[in-house]
Amino acid sequence: DTGVSQDPRHKITKRGQNVTFRCDPISEHNRLYWYRQTLGQGPEFLTYFQNEAQLEKSRLLSDRFSAERPKGSFSTLEIQRTEQGDSAMYLCASSKTQDGDPQYFGPGTRLTVT
Amino acid sequence: AQKVTQAQTEISVVEKEDVTLDCVYETRDTTYYLFWYKQPPSGELVFLIRRNSFDEQNEISGRYSWNFQKSTSSFNFTITASQVVDSAVYFCALSEGGDSSYKLIFGSGTRLLVRP
Repeated sequence: DTGVSQDPRHKITKRGQNVTFRCDPISEHNRLYWYRQTLGQGPEFLTYFQNEAQLEKSRLLSDRFSAERPKGSFSTLEIQRTEQGDSAMYLCASSKTQDGDPQYFGPGTRLTVT
Repeated sequence: AQKVTQAQTEISVVEKEDVTLDCVYETRDTTYYLFWYKQPPSGELVFLIRRNSFDEQNEISGRYSWNFQKSTSSFNFTITASQVVDSAVYFCALSEGGDSSYKLIFGSGTRLLVRP
């Protein structure tokens, strides 16, 4: 079984630039989640997809952030006009559809905004 | 409001010692799920265990065991005969049955260092 993959693994960008991250979930998983993790903290929920529908967004997800899952398979997370406070690890996870199914995480994309 | 507290920020033990990681949760839901994840230095979160709120049976898997007590809202994790490879950050997490997304609410993690 192929796990969750994320690309790129690392991204360094200058403040004000736009960045886009990709997540490929486990193939039979319908649910897809994005989380953000800063140093010394647990991951925080950003947004959730059931198939191609984005069903929930955290208040953490400002209007500079947008996520898509166009065909219910891979997902992208875009950050526009990056700020230094956006520096973090961005984690993608996927799960099956049953309530409480465990989420399996990808390796993350570490974003550094200079 | 939902919350997960891991009061132990860092624990250091010598190899072969037993160690318990504490997790206390808050939720108003009667149906919920609790999880433990391991984050080794490589950074990828690894799923260890899930319990649902209706199953208070303790579980053992090799050197790992979990003690779920609804009366104290705790879900503690014990590693027996710890090994250097157990060194990692461990996260406890909660998802609520009343939340259709089943998003995970994480604690702040406990960093475990096992010294040889």
